[in-house]
Formats: sequence, C-alpha cells, structure tokens
Amino acid sequence: GAGVSQSPSNKVTEKGKDVELRCDPISGHTALYWYRQSLGQGLEFLIYFQGNSAPDKSGLPSDRFSAERTGGSVSTLTIQRTQQEDSAVYLCASSLGPSGETQYFGPGTRLLVL
Amino acid sequence: GESVGLHLPTLSVQEGDNSIINCAYSNSASDYFIWYKQESGKGPQFIIDIRSNMDKRQGQRVTVLLNKTVKHLSLQIAATQPGDSAVYFCAENRGAAGNKLTFGGGTRVLVKP
Repeated sequence: GAGVSQSPSNKVTEKGKDVELRCDPISGHTALYWYRQSLGQGLEFLIYFQGNSAPDKSGLPSDRFSAERTGGSVSTLTIQRTQQEDSAVYLCASSLGPSGETQYFGPGTRLLVL
Repeated sequence: GESVGLHLPTLSVQEGDNSIINCAYSNSASDYFIWYKQESGKGPQFIIDIRSNMDKRQGQRVTVLLNKTVKHLSLQIAATQPGDSAVYFCAENRGAAGNKLTFGGGTRVLVKP
C-alpha cells in the first residue's frame, strides 16, 4: 500500500514568510509525528498526534511552529515568520498505534529559508 | 541530558565483509530500540527493531544486539553490499513515557567495491 507522503518535496522561502508543510500518513495509522533534520544531523522530535488526544508539542522549538491534524488523518506543520535557522528537512512519520509501534517515515520536505 | 549516541561517525567496509555499527544510550527506562537506514534525499527506512526483553534479533542479513547492562546497541550487516551505503541511525522509544523517538547522530557506511 501507499506509504507516508509529504508535500511539497522542496520549499524555498524568504525570511519572514510563513510556510505550510503537509503530511498524509499511512491509511489506518492513528499516530502521526513530525521531526526535523538539520544538515548532517540526526532527527529532532517536534510534535506527536495520537487519535483524538491532545498532541505532545514538547519538541516545538518556538511559538512560531504549530501543527494541526484534521479528521485524524492529514497533518499540516506551519512555521510563521520563518528564520534562516529553520532551514532543514522536515520529516513526517506515522505508526499503527501509540506505543512501541514502528514509525514509518515519509520522504521529507526540504525547506530553505533565504 | 539523556541521549542516544553513536561511537563511529563513518565506517568504510569492503563489499562482502560484515559491518558493525554501534550505539550507546543513556536512558535505562527505554524499552524499544530501532535502527533506520537513510539514503541521500530520502526519509529514514525501518531496518529492524528490538524490545528490551530481548538481547538479540535477526532479520534478513541484519542482526541487532542489545546489551542492557552497558546500555549498548549494535547493528550487524552480513555480506555488506553497495546498496547498504547509507547513514544508519539508532533510535530509542521510551514507551509509556511517550512515543517520540530519540535519535542518535548517525553513522555513515561507505561500501568499497
């Protein structure tokens, strides 16, 4: 079946602009995660959605970052007033359930803030 | 702070040889560990996982070993192939404490023909 998909695959924006990144999880997966990967670095957790529970936002680096998950499926990560340090690959993952389940990753959105 | 880390940033291996990638973790509460492979321009790809009630698990050409005494995790790749060239990440999941993964910094494996 289809894996996790993300759009756009690449995004170039100017400093100060807002961007929206989209994630379509694997059908039937109740858990959805956002991670950020800076150049040559490991992945950094941002936010986690599980079903109808309140999301775990503990990894969001500032209040410029927010995310929504509508209808328990598609998620949008929004970065307001982008800064150059926001440049990174933003990765989305999904898993069947909440705990100890394998997370499957999408291809990522490569964000470049000029 | 608690973290997951790797001993070797780059590993060069001859095609056909076995590869061993090591990872140290510091959170004794972690109960689930995963290895991911990431090729250039792609998202991480699941390789193999292991739960804390096990010390060894085998897959196709890969074996993960877990030593909870010294908080050490390793990934062994048998008969390394050119297609194994990638960055490998270990990650830990603290289970009931939340499902977010904590990743190590990654090891790049270069397979020489």
